[in-house]
Amino acid sequence: EIVLTQSPATLSLSPGERATLSCRASQSVSSYLAWYQQKPGQAPRLLIYDASNRATGIPARFSGSGSGTDFTLTISSLEPEDFAVYYCQQRSNWPPGFAFGPGTKVDIK
Amino acid sequence: EVQLVESGGVVVQPGGSLRLSCAASGFTFDDYAMHWVRQAPGKGLEWVSLISWDGGSTYYADSVKGRFTISRDNSKNSLYLQMNSLRAEDTALYYCAKDIGSSGHPVILFDYWGQGTLVTVSS
Repeated sequence: EIVLTQSPATLSLSPGERATLSCRASQSVSSYLAWYQQKPGQAPRLLIYDASNRATGIPARFSGSGSGTDFTLTISSLEPEDFAVYYCQQRSNWPPGFAFGPGTKVDIK
Repeated sequence: EVQLVESGGVVVQPGGSLRLSCAASGFTFDDYAMHWVRQAPGKGLEWVSLISWDGGSTYYADSVKGRFTISRDNSKNSLYLQMNSLRAEDTALYYCAKDIGSSGHPVILFDYWGQGTLVTVSS
């Protein structure tokens, strides 16, 4: 079973700052890593898939990188609407093999 | 516009049963695999189950295997989750989610989600 670990658990930043979120897999997931954003009271939204591809309609300030076991989601300049919880998700070695990380909360400093 | 609307969530006693429904619109329902994903109050996301476009293949998380059954009715653009032998740890908001993959092959990426239906298992 592949386990995803996200760090930090909470990231306190100000609007306009750069956010760097990490997701680490317990074994290689190749590039099969996605990122989702969830705001309070809302369903998750797909941001990045296959490590570095932005989903439809996602602003260019969101970027993803990494492969194997180490991945990063970067928000180049935080907008007020970006304060949310971010989850990574792997889809390697399925079935069943798909799982979400525990999440990183990005909150306002 | 893609819409997924879940229903059926209620308060149920431990050991009880429940059937969740998800009404889909705005896309060709039988072109896509569908999923259930749940979120316990204040917790993270947990994938629950997947059904192929035609219902011929189903997959479950170990935590629900043998107790939950996913199904779909493509004539009604509807997805279902039959939940039996419910436990307190099944308490969660249950989301219906569309797989991004077309041509019927699941890609295990979720591009549209409903707003969820809350299941509470409590005596």
